[in-house]
Amino acid sequence: GNSVTQMEGPVTLSEEAFLTINCTYTATGYPSLFWYVQYPGEGLQLLLKATKADDKGSNKGFEATYRKETTSFHLEKGSVQVSDSAVYFCALSDGTGGFKTIFGAGTRLFVKA
Amino acid sequence: GAVVSQHPSWVICKSGTSVKIECRSLDFQATTMFWYRQFPKQSLMLMATSNEGSKATYEQGVEKDKFLINHASLTLSTLTVTSAHPEDSSFYICSARLAGVSVDTQYFGPGTRLTVL
Repeated sequence: GNSVTQMEGPVTLSEEAFLTINCTYTATGYPSLFWYVQYPGEGLQLLLKATKADDKGSNKGFEATYRKETTSFHLEKGSVQVSDSAVYFCALSDGTGGFKTIFGAGTRLFVKA
Repeated sequence: GAVVSQHPSWVICKSGTSVKIECRSLDFQATTMFWYRQFPKQSLMLMATSNEGSKATYEQGVEKDKFLINHASLTLSTLTVTSAHPEDSSFYICSARLAGVSVDTQYFGPGTRLTVL
């Protein structure tokens, strides 16, 4: 079945450091890929998405490229801020089964001032 | 933008009682809503897919008689946890899929924290 694997956290960085959170997936067909962010005490928010191979999703300085050859969708940001501290979830939706979304385990990011 | 609300945001109940959680799409119609459960420091586990006017589709291992889902209109789905026990304590999150658009237009509610004493 479909699955998403992302790096375990927590990840602790200093402000302005470079961020990478790895995400790989297993799916049949051509899924859409997402990164969601959950700030403390809040619900999930869509951060960015990509719907086909080689697409790059970007938002708020975050980027991720849909790599079909390596089945990956790694999240990157060149310079993190304290306000980026949150839990980040990689996810996929393959459009079948009523458009279910499968989530990775989540990676908690702490950014220190 | 599309907004999904949940009510209540938190609830504490005694063991054996039933609790109803509402999920509303405030400014759009949602043909499909999803219910998730999130344990502390863990990912979201899909419990069921709720389609307006039809029975919900439950994921394997989720008891449909314990977690009753009703999707009575295009803007409202409810999850009722029946005869709640402490192990049902969790964070319940719903999402709504915007009708008539692409697969990835899902909007999440803020979640409901259930504590069963």
